[in-house]
This record gives sequence, structure tokens and C-alpha cells, in this order.
Amino acid sequence: DTEVTQTPKHLVMGMTNKKSLKCEQHMGHRAMYWYKQKAKKPPELMFVYSYEKLSINESVPSRFSPECPNSSLLNLHLHALQPEDSALYLCASSQVGQGNTGELFFGEGSRLTVL
Amino acid sequence: AQSVTQLGSHVSVSEGALVLLRCNYSSSVPPYLFWYVQYPNQGLQLLLKYTSAATLVKGINGFEAEFKKSETSFHLTKPSAHMSDAAEYFCAVTRPTNAGKSTFGDGTTLTVKP
Repeated sequence: DTEVTQTPKHLVMGMTNKKSLKCEQHMGHRAMYWYKQKAKKPPELMFVYSYEKLSINESVPSRFSPECPNSSLLNLHLHALQPEDSALYLCASSQVGQGNTGELFFGEGSRLTVL
Repeated sequence: AQSVTQLGSHVSVSEGALVLLRCNYSSSVPPYLFWYVQYPNQGLQLLLKYTSAATLVKGINGFEAEFKKSETSFHLTKPSAHMSDAAEYFCAVTRPTNAGKSTFGDGTTLTVKP
């Protein structure tokens, strides 16, 4: 069982819709991540939050809007997406600070289809 | 800068045979190295990690990997493949000074034949 929970597992949306992906962890990790993964490809980093502050934005289009309401929750708000945004969106968490090895704990992902 | 190269995008072995998945890295500082496994329609799960302690690292499900600095390699092995090992495997590297930014290899699909 994964300790990082993502909802929904599947999402189908039109290009004019607004939806959100949610991620929750209770491991006390203070870094949380959004990755995008296309089929048969490695995960691509989108955003990193450290201590609830956005620390990395990998030049992601503004139609993706992350939010970190508290240390356990991470959201990804979606608006006016394109069909090429269809992918598996993975949330991950890790420790921060000294002693952090960068080990990532992943959720099972949200499969997004944009019509 | 850091990078990872996984040699062989597809590896096929027979059940009971040795599994060898290759990973070479490039890093300007001593790295941390990881192997993750991804089963269909699931997220990534850590198999094992190297963090500058023992160079031979044992992980879950009978996998192990050896860090070889002279060869800049971190190959993943398992003595005897099981059908349940069929999955996508990713090698990843981070730096101690920037552990929040992992660099992943392109992945290797392991197929296990009965």
C-alpha cells in the first residue's frame, strides 16, 4: 500500500473544463512534487514544494496551477488543457534538509485524458 | 550536472534466468543512486538506493545493485527472474547538494518469458 494517496485515479475532461488533482501524504515529509509521465517515458518534473513554498517550477504552462494548502496536501489545478496534456500525473514526497537522499515516495498516479 | 543512461530499453529473460539491467551515471559530485520499479498503471516504487555507504546494495524482491565508481555504473541484478518481475525499471541520480531534483534514465522494460 502506498503512503501517498492520489485522487482521482482516472479523469476525463474537455479542453474548456476546470478540474483538480489531489495528493495527500502523512509521512511528515516537507517536500512534495508533481511529475508528468507519458507512456513508456520517465517521469518529468513539473513542480516542487518545499515547506509549503513553491521551490521549483520547470517552465510548466500556466494552464497547470499547483497549490500546497498545508504540509500534507498538494493540489494541481487544471484549466484549458490540450489533448497533448493527457498523461499519468504522479505525486511524490520526500524528506528535506540535511540527510535527505532524494528518495521519492510516489502515489499511484492520476490518469488524465483530455478530449 | 548529472545524467543517467540506461543501456537497453527492452530486456527479455526466461523465468529463472539472471536479470541484469544496466545503468551508467554522470555526476560532478559523488551521487546518490536509485532504482525504481513501475508496474502497469501504478506509480514508481523504490527497489534500492545507494547513499555512499556499502557499495553493494540489497533491495526488495531479491534485487541488488553494485556501485562502481571506476565504471560510473550502478547495474541492477537478480539471480533468478520471476514472472512478477515484469515491469518498467528506472535508474535515477541525485546530488547531495540538490537532493530534491532527481534525474531519471529513460527506463528499461523487463519481460519475463515462461
